[in-house]
Amino acid sequence: RKEVEQDPGPFNVPEGATVAFNCTYSNSASQSFFWYRQDCRKEPKLLMSVYSSGNEDGRFTAQLNRASQYISLLIRDSKLSDSATYLCVVRFRNQFYFGTGTSLTVIP
Amino acid sequence: SAVISQKPSRDICQRGTSLTIQCQVDSQVTMMFWYRQQPGQSLTLIATANQGSEATYESGFVIDKFPISRPNLTFSTLTVSNMSPEDSSIYLCSVEEVWGTDTQYFGPGTRLTVL
Repeated sequence: RKEVEQDPGPFNVPEGATVAFNCTYSNSASQSFFWYRQDCRKEPKLLMSVYSSGNEDGRFTAQLNRASQYISLLIRDSKLSDSATYLCVVRFRNQFYFGTGTSLTVIP
Repeated sequence: SAVISQKPSRDICQRGTSLTIQCQVDSQVTMMFWYRQQPGQSLTLIATANQGSEATYESGFVIDKFPISRPNLTFSTLTVSNMSPEDSSIYLCSVEEVWGTDTQYFGPGTRLTVL
């Protein structure tokens, strides 16, 4: 079983739509959780950390459910520039485990 | 966040040769990692580069194939040895800062093609 699992998509949504991604992790002792964004042919960049209390950054909201071992990312009012691959990342001790990524394309 | 550079940014190499990739950080960092990202795939951790001691390799990766050096807290190298076309990939260096949050920042990557 993979440490981190994501729906690879692709998600194709119109501009202005709301889209949500989920990610599950297998290790209940995982300590930290993140969403990274990776544009085509670029390195991953940190989008946001994920806390049990949830956190919001503009149009982006991330949630962590430790009981069910999943992480979510909600993007509201999608922009064309949101088109990218979104990577779910989970940390256990000094190891970071990456999901395979969810591809999002926002369509005009 | 730390600023990370990698050299070379890309290379095309012949089968059987070796390539050394450099990763330079503009500040001292505790943890440095080397990842591989094959086309259409997510990142796979190759090893953790430990300052002053041997790197810690993940399952499926060995020192003879991917020797790593980390002479100080700002620099590391990864060598891809005796290359084959299956080694064609993007190789990414990442760091975890000493005093920051426990998040990783990535270098721009080295795009390697082996013919």
